[in-house]
Amino acid sequence: DQQVKQNSPSLSVQEGRISILNCDYTNSMFDYFLWYKKYPAEGPTFLISISSIKDKNEDGRFTVFLNKSAKHLSLHIVPSQPGDSAVYFCAESTDKLIFGTGTRLQVFP
Amino acid sequence: DTGVSQNPRHKITKRGQNVTFRCDPISEHNRLYWYRQTLGQGPEFLTYFQNEAQLEKSRLLSDRFSAERPKGSFSTLEIQRTEQGDSAMYLCASSPVSSGRTGELFFGEGSRLTVL
Repeated sequence: DQQVKQNSPSLSVQEGRISILNCDYTNSMFDYFLWYKKYPAEGPTFLISISSIKDKNEDGRFTVFLNKSAKHLSLHIVPSQPGDSAVYFCAESTDKLIFGTGTRLQVFP
Repeated sequence: DTGVSQNPRHKITKRGQNVTFRCDPISEHNRLYWYRQTLGQGPEFLTYFQNEAQLEKSRLLSDRFSAERPKGSFSTLEIQRTEQGDSAMYLCASSPVSSGRTGELFFGEGSRLTVL
């Protein structure tokens, strides 16, 4: 049973607009949720995280929102840039990471 | 380059052969993780070490898979009697102990296995 779900396999957004990537989870016993970004032929790289005791964390153009009652996590990228085009994975962390299946974001000019 | 290094980057083998992958983590990182990623899926946890101790193994890690980290530095992942279903990208990551629970791992570029 998938503990972390990303139901949208792909998303296409125009440059300058907001990108919203979503993630649902089942396990409430986690310490952190994270977003990783992956370019082709590279390993995933850490993007932003949020503690289980918070509901929002912001870092520049990236903001992560955590809705514990809905068991839902989202990543907002604003404004979106062509260099943001990549696969984005959400992941929950205890002592290890459990990843979702990923969402491919394409930002077009 | 002080990042996580994985070798070989790509391995093609015939079914039934043994393969071994090596991971050199960032030097000051105590924790080392192995993940496997197949097409259209996220990375799946296989096992992790803290120094030389293997602390957890996934049910995905069958008896044909073995991982070691003999001196708490580099690690090897061996797959014996490979099967076509083993074809995947094998990812290694490292972290200091302090960020183990926060999930900030540093990944290598991966070793892609193709079993014919």
